[in-house]
Amino acid sequence: GAGVSQSPSNKVTEKGKDVELRCDPISGHTALYWYRQSLGQGLEFLIYFQGNSAPDKSGLPSDRFSAERTGGSVSTLTIQRTQQEDSAVYLCASTLRGTSGSHEQFFGPGTRLTVL
Amino acid sequence: KNQVEQSPQSLIILEGKNCTLQCNYTVSPFSNLRWYKQDTGRGPVSLTIMTFSENTKSNGRYTATLDADTKQSSLHITASQLSDSASYICVVSPTSGGSYIPTFGRGTSLIVHP
Repeated sequence: GAGVSQSPSNKVTEKGKDVELRCDPISGHTALYWYRQSLGQGLEFLIYFQGNSAPDKSGLPSDRFSAERTGGSVSTLTIQRTQQEDSAVYLCASTLRGTSGSHEQFFGPGTRLTVL
Repeated sequence: KNQVEQSPQSLIILEGKNCTLQCNYTVSPFSNLRWYKQDTGRGPVSLTIMTFSENTKSNGRYTATLDADTKQSSLHITASQLSDSASYICVVSPTSGGSYIPTFGRGTSLIVHP
């Protein structure tokens, strides 16, 4: 596809379960970002990939959160032992290169995570 | 700490009217400022981008202004349409140095009524 895709679009899980969220960036985009958007809040940076490496993972809120990227393309955000406060929309964005702020970030539609 | 503050938090206007959204930031050093539009259930989409040397940038009925001295930006929407109903997010990026992490405002929720 031409844009960033994310799956699933919605995920409802029980507290304590693990979840995996997937992001397919635009082909050729080397930089990939994960954000979290809670109701009424701005986008919260989680982690940034340049290729397959993550130079900045300072936004991950706890060690329950992890992410990986393989083949310089698809990325997976994993949340272990989910808590109710993890409920939010998780957005993924990709950009041509992450070393210049002038490159526009293209966002996916997000995954809405609800932890019961 | 880098911050981006937007006002108002929400705004309701009638179709055809104009409106102006505000953004104040403390990001320094500053690389560029973008305004994004986020429709409900969708990811944000870039409307305009300005570097510190630019004062204004237009995209159709959307016009963004920037005052780098006072660290303020505004987004003016002319002749609003129902499809303008969305959240408008101000995003400021620091000067790059290997990688950059932008700072997002909380957004202004705009509702356009017929």
